[in-house]
Amino acid sequence: GQNIDQPTEMTATEGAIVQINCTYQTSGFNGLFWYQQHAGEAPTFLSYNVLDGLEEKGRFSSFLSRSKGYSYLLLKELQMKDSASYLCAVRDSNYQLIWGAGTKLIIKP
Amino acid sequence: ETGVTQTPRHLVMGMTNKKSLKCEQHLGHNAMYWYKQSAKKPLELMFVYNFKEQTENNSVPSRFSPECPNSSHLFLHLHTLQPEDSALYLCASSQDGPAGGQETQYFGPGTRLLVL
Repeated sequence: GQNIDQPTEMTATEGAIVQINCTYQTSGFNGLFWYQQHAGEAPTFLSYNVLDGLEEKGRFSSFLSRSKGYSYLLLKELQMKDSASYLCAVRDSNYQLIWGAGTKLIIKP
Repeated sequence: ETGVTQTPRHLVMGMTNKKSLKCEQHLGHNAMYWYKQSAKKPLELMFVYNFKEQTENNSVPSRFSPECPNSSHLFLHLHTLQPEDSALYLCASSQDGPAGGQETQYFGPGTRLLVL
């Protein structure tokens, strides 16, 4: 079966760095997405990786290793507004998105 | 209006009611999706429409009935729902890629549904 694993919840301190991991087992691979979802709001697109390596976008970076079936989202200089759920999703060989259950990130002052 | 909009934002209904959820996208995309989001579970894809044609129906019960009159509008008609159908219903849209693959999906704010 197809599976996406990510931690259920993480806690970090304002101003610090946090890494949210995602491992996947899917039938084929056509890219990996990270979305941010604040409580009661729409998921919003953060990043897309299809080749191995690190993609940097401001305070957020996303890393992919296809051989290991592994990705992480790195958030630097954490702000209170970064408190949200972070969803990992993989596009399989049929171009269908397989979603993880999300990681709830709690930022403390 | 920009992006993807959904109405209503909140809905409470009894098990014998009939209601409809509406989604509209202003992004010029050609694919639209209905997802169900329950607490601490992955997003569940319910239906996919591509150029107004339904291309996916992931074993969704018949009490959920989608309608896509044009590439900008998507409805989800609800009839005789069960309490376990209470969830956040999200609409999304994307532009199909040249190989038929679906590009980044953009989501609406969702309808929070409570079935009593």
